[in-house]
Amino acid sequence: GAVVSQHPSWVICKSGTSVKIECRSLDFQATTMFWYRQFPKQSLMLMATSNEGSKATYEQGVEKDKFLINHASLTLSTLTVTSAHPEDSSFYICSARFKSTEAFFGQGTRLTVV
Amino acid sequence: QQQVKQSPQSLIVQKGGISIINCAYENTAFDYFPWYQQFPGKGPALLIAIRPDVSEKKEGRFTISFNKSAKQFSLHIMDSQPGDSATYFCAATSGGGSEKLVFGKGTKLTVNP
Repeated sequence: GAVVSQHPSWVICKSGTSVKIECRSLDFQATTMFWYRQFPKQSLMLMATSNEGSKATYEQGVEKDKFLINHASLTLSTLTVTSAHPEDSSFYICSARFKSTEAFFGQGTRLTVV
Repeated sequence: QQQVKQSPQSLIVQKGGISIINCAYENTAFDYFPWYQQFPGKGPALLIAIRPDVSEKKEGRFTISFNKSAKQFSLHIMDSQPGDSATYFCAATSGGGSEKLVFGKGTKLTVNP
């Protein structure tokens, strides 16, 4: 299957700082990217959907000013957690899709805010 | 309407046994049903998927059974192996897979040697 790479795999940041997570489609053009959040032993919760060149569409209850999503190119989307707090600690996962084809997932990013 | 209900929450199977995970949905617009396998600390990986025009799909030791009238689908893992120990998520979407995925809550499978 296609390859979606997330970076970093894990990150620790201080409370109040911002952290950026990158999601890259390595061998295909991602017209749509999704960002998920996953708490321990729970399912994936969709945070937002982004189409290349357009503003992201956020799910209900997700603060768009808190979780900034940029999908500036067909191979890169970024999620920036602004003014991070300990409750933002979680496992963040992206997935990418070309048009209506299957979506492929990245390996995830473990964020710990201390 | 948008939910996908998955059971059991956890499952323990002996090596060589059959693992069965069930999912049910309400939204009749769903037309693509994938299963994902997730190992700890990793992202989900597509295992197998089915569309409602067939009642069964088999890939190696993994089989999806689909019952459109009952709005249920299940994953069967034959000859389960310790390496199959992972969390499995069913999902559903519409638009032939072009819309966002709705995930079940997951099933943690443990295969004992």
